[in-house]
Amino acid sequence: GQNIDQPTEMTATEGAIVQINCTYQTSGFNGLFWYQQHAGEAPTFLSYNVLDGLEEKGRFSSFLSRSKGYSYLLLKELQMKDSASYLCAVMDSNYQLIWGAGTKLIIKP
Amino acid sequence: EAQVTQNPRYLITVTGKKLTVTCSQNMNHEYMSWYRQDPGLGLRQIYYSMNVEVTDKGDVPEGYKVSRKEKRNFPLILESPSPNQTSLYFCASSLRTGIYQPQHFGDGTRLSIL
Repeated sequence: GQNIDQPTEMTATEGAIVQINCTYQTSGFNGLFWYQQHAGEAPTFLSYNVLDGLEEKGRFSSFLSRSKGYSYLLLKELQMKDSASYLCAVMDSNYQLIWGAGTKLIIKP
Repeated sequence: EAQVTQNPRYLITVTGKKLTVTCSQNMNHEYMSWYRQDPGLGLRQIYYSMNVEVTDKGDVPEGYKVSRKEKRNFPLILESPSPNQTSLYFCASSLRTGIYQPQHFGDGTRLSIL
């Protein structure tokens, strides 16, 4: 079967750095997405990786290793507004998205 | 403004009373999808549509129907709602399906079936 694993919850301190991991086992691979979702709101697109390596976008970076079935989202200089759930999703061989359950990130002052 | 619009945002109704949640996008997207989101389970796809008049089942289609008569609209129909369909529902769209095609989400519809 297809599976995406992420930690359920993480806590970090304002101003610090946090890494949210995602491991996957899917039927084929056509890219990995990260979305941010604030409580009660719609998910919003953060990043996309289809080749191995690091993609940097301001305070957020995303890394992919296809051979290991592994990705992480790195958030730097954490702000209180970064408190949200972070969803990992993999596009399979049929171009359908397989979603992880999400990681709830709690930022403390 | 480019957006996906869902209505209603909130609905409390009773078992067996047919309801429709509308979804409309103004981005000329080919691909549209419905998800439900329940605590601890993440997003689960109900139905999707690759283009007009083309729809297909997702992971949890039982109890739902959809139609795609026009490119911009993709309504979700619950013919006989039951309490286990109480959930947060999201409609999403993307230009097409394929690599580097992020989905854009509506604001969600919170359904409570009593």
